[in-house]
Amino acid sequence: QQKVQQSPESLIVPEGGMASLNCTSSDRNVDYFWWYRQHSGKSPKMLMSIFSNGEKEEGRFTVHLNKASLHTSLHIRDSQPSDSALYLCAARAGAKLTFGGGTRLTVRP
Amino acid sequence: DMKVTQMPRYLIKRMGENVLLECGQDMSHETMYWYRQDPGLGLQLIYISYDVDSNSEGDIPKGYRVSRKKREHFSLILDSAKTNQTSVYFCASSLSGHSDYTFGSGTRLLVI
Repeated sequence: QQKVQQSPESLIVPEGGMASLNCTSSDRNVDYFWWYRQHSGKSPKMLMSIFSNGEKEEGRFTVHLNKASLHTSLHIRDSQPSDSALYLCAARAGAKLTFGGGTRLTVRP
Repeated sequence: DMKVTQMPRYLIKRMGENVLLECGQDMSHETMYWYRQDPGLGLQLIYISYDVDSNSEGDIPKGYRVSRKKREHFSLILDSAKTNQTSVYFCASSLSGHSDYTFGSGTRLLVI
């Protein structure tokens, strides 16, 4: 059974700061990663996806992927209080999408 | 607006009762999923459906079964609910297993 490990479990950053979240899969069949954001009491909403080695940037969000190590990271610059949420990493192998346990981000004003 | 709709939003059942959770999507997506999420945790995959009457177990299928008789509709059934099935249940769909996933708003189930 595939495992998706996220770290840290929780993270506190000041407003305007940089938040860095990590995710690693143990399944060599994984070919795609997603990052989701979930505010309290809401459903997960997709932030970004990545399947190629390297980096992808969208606004304040940057995702990195190292396919050899099956490691992806999400970086949020100029963090805002509205970024406070549970961040979920998901890895796809075939049609199966497996989620990590999440990182709880708190941005302090 | 394309979406995944889950009914009901909130449900309270007694232990041993049967539970039916419904999910619908209006995007003609082939693949649909049921996940559960316990407080503060990630999502665990219960079942995948690749199309009508083509279902596959996920990581935690025990105690659950599913039904998909129409492409736009995917049901999760708990026969004789247990207290440890108290959770938030999310349905999701994707065009195939290889495209972005759309999640419903979730059903919050309490089994007492």
